[in-house]
Amino acid sequence: NAGVTQTPKFRVLKTGQSMTLLCAQDMNHEYMYWYRQDPGMGLRLIHYSVGEGTTAKGEVPDGYNVSRLKKQNFLLGLESAAPSQTSVYFCASSYSGPAYEQYFGPGTRLTVT
Amino acid sequence: DQQVKQNSPSLSVQEGRISILNCDYTNSMFDYFLWYKKYPAEGPTFLISISSIKDKNEDGRFTVFLNKSAKHLSLHIVPSQPGDSAVYFCAASAGDMRFGAGTRLTVKP
Repeated sequence: NAGVTQTPKFRVLKTGQSMTLLCAQDMNHEYMYWYRQDPGMGLRLIHYSVGEGTTAKGEVPDGYNVSRLKKQNFLLGLESAAPSQTSVYFCASSYSGPAYEQYFGPGTRLTVT
Repeated sequence: DQQVKQNSPSLSVQEGRISILNCDYTNSMFDYFLWYKKYPAEGPTFLISISSIKDKNEDGRFTVFLNKSAKHLSLHIVPSQPGDSAVYFCAASAGDMRFGAGTRLTVKP
């Protein structure tokens, strides 16, 4: 039982490049989330999904897109990376809605130069 | 706007003593509060939670207190152990989740 896994763990991008972060969970959770964590700030919700085929915007969605084609996977895409997107990205999942306990992946450290 | 605030970026305590981590919030609609613990290079893990209908919840060495009138909650760890050294995030929910910036706790042997 791996829980929540994230790929890749580290990535360096040049401004304007694109990439996709992959999140997978094996707990059969309906809800999945993408957060970013920046120094001096808490985790901020980018996008979330309440089930396969659904997505919704969180607190800081600009510059990101997401897809949930399979229940166990949640993809986060950056179409044209900017230095402001340098951050640590965490994926999470939960059985119940966003208000309750979430299970987090180990994070992806992204640097945009 | 930061609706959940942890005003102490760091806290250092001696092993065996009490650790008290504080959290303030501004949104009176928050009805569920959680604490997460994070070790370096790992994701946050859930520690303890409390509903707004309660003012205290205990789980072993960890107790969370909620003061709704002051919009304040705190996490008490008694006794503190070196393995408790981590970053602690407070989170609050009124449908979606808002996190504080975290407090780094160091427990010295």
